[in-house]
Amino acid sequence: DSGVTQTPKHLITATGQRVTLRCSPRSGDLSVYWYQQSLDQGLQFLIQYYNGEERAKGNILERFSAQQFPDLHSELNLSSLELGDSALYFCASSVSGTRQETQYFGPGTRLLVL
Amino acid sequence: EDQVTQSPEALRLQEGESSSLNCSYTVSGLRGLFWYRQDPGKGPEFLFTLYSAGEEKEKERLKATLTKKESFLHITAPKPEDSATYLCAVRGIQGAQKLVFGQGTRLTINP
Repeated sequence: DSGVTQTPKHLITATGQRVTLRCSPRSGDLSVYWYQQSLDQGLQFLIQYYNGEERAKGNILERFSAQQFPDLHSELNLSSLELGDSALYFCASSVSGTRQETQYFGPGTRLLVL
Repeated sequence: EDQVTQSPEALRLQEGESSSLNCSYTVSGLRGLFWYRQDPGKGPEFLFTLYSAGEEKEKERLKATLTKKESFLHITAPKPEDSATYLCAVRGIQGAQKLVFGQGTRLTINP
């Protein structure tokens, strides 16, 4: 158990809908990262937040957005969902987000768009 | 752009049969090479971080090594519970804080 929690574990929804994925980092960690894992793309970095502020952006679609709240939990919002958005979404956390740090991953949310 | 290539894609071994997994990388200014283990439907589990060429780390039956172009994950006398996908990732100086992952090696250990 990494100490990172994610809810829900599974999510089934329809195309065009909007969903919110939630992540709580390890106790004491200020930085949160979101990754998407699909069969053909592997693990892809989406976005990073540090202490409530966006720090880095990766291959995140405009339909996707995220935020980190004062209690340091983070939410990833996915809207206008398409079939291709079906994937595993992982949250990771680290202490302060410096380049030397290890990122610890949560158990993931499996999203299925029908 | 930072890139990671892992080989082989899949590897099947008998229990006790030692082998190595390869991770080749290109990165502008390595700031860490990370090995993770991932079981089906679960999140990646951290194994090792290596920072500079020549560095080695060990944990139980696993040993990770690093050169300037590649890393190896050596598995000695594996057991069926070592079956998993092993992921390699790098963080470079230009990639902000993101990890760039390889596609992984799916390891199966037969009893």
